[in-house]
Amino acid sequence: GENVEQHPSTLSVQEGDSAVIKCTYSDSASNYFPWYKQELGKRPQLIIDIRSNVGEKKDQRIAVTLNKTAKHFSLHITETQPEDSAVYFCAATYNQGGKLIFGQGTELSVKP
Amino acid sequence: KAGVTQTPRYLIKTRGQQVTLSCSPISGHRSVSWYQQTPGQGLQFLFEYFSETQRNKGNFPGRFSGRQFSNSRSEMNVSTLELGDSALYLCASSALAGDRKVTQYFGPGTRLTVL
Repeated sequence: GENVEQHPSTLSVQEGDSAVIKCTYSDSASNYFPWYKQELGKRPQLIIDIRSNVGEKKDQRIAVTLNKTAKHFSLHITETQPEDSAVYFCAATYNQGGKLIFGQGTELSVKP
Repeated sequence: KAGVTQTPRYLIKTRGQQVTLSCSPISGHRSVSWYQQTPGQGLQFLFEYFSETQRNKGNFPGRFSGRQFSNSRSEMNVSTLELGDSALYLCASSALAGDRKVTQYFGPGTRLTVL
């Protein structure tokens, strides 16, 4: 069935270090993979996304990589800052994009 | 452009009652998806509406239903509320289905508490 596995569930890093969150999806038909950041009490906000015809995408301190063969995609945050502390969700689309299947979330804590 | 809006923001109901939640998408967006967020289950897809038609459906009981109007605004209804329906209900809109413009933008959510 449709499934997205996300690891780790919690991640604690020192300010300035890098953070990596990994996801695995089950359906090879998935073609769009967004990442959302959700701060406490707020809505999920898109931070970066990648489509299946691209292997890597960067936006300043954030990058996402996709391995279609292994059905893996990862979020990389470099030079982490305390304001990066939040819950991060990966997702994969099914059926024309209107249905997002989310991973379980990763609570990232960046210690000053 | 204004973002996705949802009303009401908070709701308290008792078991057995029914509730209707509303979502107004970003202007020009035709697809509206609904999600349930709970600490235990995370973000789970409920259904998606596109051009007033339900196009995708998640694994929720028939007590959960929705509709979309000609102006793309959407409502979801939950009948015979159960304690386990307490959750944050999020809607998200996107411009177009298919390979282009599938990015979903979320509203602030409606926090439903069932007593």
